[in-house]
Amino acid sequence: QVQLVQSGAEVKKPGASVKVSCKASGYTFTSYYIHWVRQAPGQGLEWMGIINPSSGSASYAQKFQGRVTMTRDTSTSTVYVELSSLRSEDTAVYYCARDQGAWGQWGQGTLVTVSS
Amino acid sequence: DIQMTQSPSTLSASVGDRVTITCRASQSISSWLAWYQQKPGKAPKLLIYKASSLESGVPSRFSGDGSGTEFTLTISSLQPDDLATYYCQQYISYPLTFGGGTKVEIK
Repeated sequence: QVQLVQSGAEVKKPGASVKVSCKASGYTFTSYYIHWVRQAPGQGLEWMGIINPSSGSASYAQKFQGRVTMTRDTSTSTVYVELSSLRSEDTAVYYCARDQGAWGQWGQGTLVTVSS
Repeated sequence: DIQMTQSPSTLSASVGDRVTITCRASQSISSWLAWYQQKPGKAPKLLIYKASSLESGVPSRFSGDGSGTEFTLTISSLQPDDLATYYCQQYISYPLTFGGGTKVEIK
C-alpha cells in the first residue's frame, strides 16, 4: 500500500537548520509530485512548496523563499525539506503529502521544535 | 493569493444531528476544492475532492457541494467518531491555501 514515512522529531536552536525526510513506498516514486505543509501548535495548515521527484525541480511559497530547499533522492525514494535560519515561529509539525489533485496520502508528521 | 474562509470556527452538536460547514473562496476556484478531517495528533485525512466526490473508504454520511466561491461540507448524521477539525483547501492555483478550520464538538 502507498506509504509516506517521515523522519523523527527534531529540536534545534534559533539560527540553525533542519532537514526532514519523507520516504515513499508502494507506488512509482517519480510519478507523483510531493507537497510540504506545516502546522504550528494549535494553528491551521500552511503550504510550503512542491517538488517534482522525477526532475527534482521545486516551487516554494513566497513566505519561505530563500530559507527553504526541497530535494529528492530517487535511489531511496525519499524527498527532503530543509529550512534554514530557524526561529521560534518555525516550531511546528511538518507534513509531506502526495499530489493527486487533492492529497490522499500524507506522512505521519515530524515535530520540529526551535528553542534556545 | 486565494483566501479561504470557513464558518463556523467551532460547532457543537449532538449525535445524530445534521451538520453543515461552509467554505468561501476569495475568487472563483471552479470545483477545485477538497475537504480534510484532522483528529488530534494525526495527519489530515482526505474526505472530499473536486468539491463533491467522496474519497474511497469515507462513510457516505459525508457529502460536499458547491462551485465557484461557495462550498459546503455536510455530515448527515453526526457520529462520536466525527469529533475532529475540518479544513477546506483550494488546489486550483499556487500558493495552495486552506481555510482556518472548523472544530466539531459532540454535545
